[in-house]
Amino acid sequence: AQTVTQSQPEMSVQEAETVTLSCTYDTSESNYYLFWYKQPPSRQMILVIRQEAYKQQNATENRFSVNFQKAAKSFSLKISDSQLGDTAMYFCAFMSLNQGGKLIFGQGTELSVKP
Amino acid sequence: NAGVTQTPKFQVLKTGQSMTLQCAQDMNHEYMSWYRQDPGMGLRLIHYSVGAGITDQGEVPNGYNVSRSTTEDFPLRLLSAAPSQTSVYFCASSTGTQQPQHFGDGTRLSIL
Repeated sequence: AQTVTQSQPEMSVQEAETVTLSCTYDTSESNYYLFWYKQPPSRQMILVIRQEAYKQQNATENRFSVNFQKAAKSFSLKISDSQLGDTAMYFCAFMSLNQGGKLIFGQGTELSVKP
Repeated sequence: NAGVTQTPKFQVLKTGQSMTLQCAQDMNHEYMSWYRQDPGMGLRLIHYSVGAGITDQGEVPNGYNVSRSTTEDFPLRLLSAAPSQTSVYFCASSTGTQQPQHFGDGTRLSIL
């Protein structure tokens, strides 16, 4: 069974600085997707970024980028130029291509951006 | 474009009562799913459906029923509510099993 682990329950960063959120996962599969979702206080689940395991290039979306290390089963999220609106809970998630689209979530990291 | 709509947003039940959480999407998505979110545990999959007439169990299905009579709707039923089912429930949909899922705004359910 796949598992996803986020070892940082809480983090804080000063506005305009850079922060990295960690995520590790365990799987025996070679083809899968990884995601980072953001959940602000409004409770919405918002897709931040997606990485296909077969792609060596790290995904980037504006100020958000990932460091995908397939051999190490690590998938960290870097947020550059942090903004107050980045304050949220961040979830790492794993999706197998062979299990009907099921998402396996980590426990979440609560990020606070301070002015 | 409404996306994924969940109703109600909040609900309080007494132990033993039944209720249905509604989920509807207007994006013609084939894949729909239900998750529950508990403190410190992330989201866990309850049930999912890959198309109308097809449903399957996720990680934590006990105490919940689902049906998928139309592409648009995927209701979640609690037949006899228990305090352990107090949680925030999210419905999600996507165009297929390998596509990112769009989430509704959630239903906060408290069972006394």
